[in-house]
Amino acid sequence: DAKTTQPNSMESNEEEPVHLPCNHSTISGTDYIHWYRQLPSQGPEYVIHGLTSNVNNRMASLAIAEDRKSSTLILHRATLRDAAVYYCILRDGSSNTGKLIFGQGTTLQVKP
Amino acid sequence: EAGVTQSPTHLIKTRGQQATLRCSPISGHTSVYWYQQALGLGLQFLLWYDEGEERNRGNFPPRFSGRQFPNYSSELNVNALELEDSALYLCASSLDGSGANVLTFGAGSRLTVL
Repeated sequence: DAKTTQPNSMESNEEEPVHLPCNHSTISGTDYIHWYRQLPSQGPEYVIHGLTSNVNNRMASLAIAEDRKSSTLILHRATLRDAAVYYCILRDGSSNTGKLIFGQGTTLQVKP
Repeated sequence: EAGVTQSPTHLIKTRGQQATLRCSPISGHTSVYWYQQALGLGLQFLLWYDEGEERNRGNFPPRFSGRQFPNYSSELNVNALELEDSALYLCASSLDGSGANVLTFGAGSRLTVL
């Protein structure tokens, strides 16, 4: 699986937008970009995923660079409940690849 | 729709014993994944089952094993428990193993080895 690089931690103020970056310079043409988050004492939860085009859902937006070597998860208005570890992961969509490999992720702190 | 359910929520064992953890995937999902998360550490991939077969395995010793049943539920067995096996064990399911599909995780089973 191609590798991703994320900052170890970020801080945000409540009700402000948050942009979480992810670099994936070795991404292949069939790799999907997935984002998951893990709140304290819980299992990870799916946030958003995309292949080439920007994606929006009720939780967040995913902005994918034109060359696909980086992406940004956007939380439009951070709340205290968004404090979590955010993982950016690549998964090959061309075959049954199975495992999802988690890196260290970005720990997001949200200040009131 | 029911999510991924895991049992038991907590399990306490002593060194050398065996632990069995169970997972029921979302209805219609054929792929089940197991992860280990030791306290303060990241998620380590353990096993992937799809259509009743073990498809992939992480870097864990053979005393970690499991199986997937015809109804796609799964169990994880850990034999000869060691203290460092104490961790949160997470199960996830997806429609299949394709990278286009997302994983849904359960709340986990907390295993404590004394």
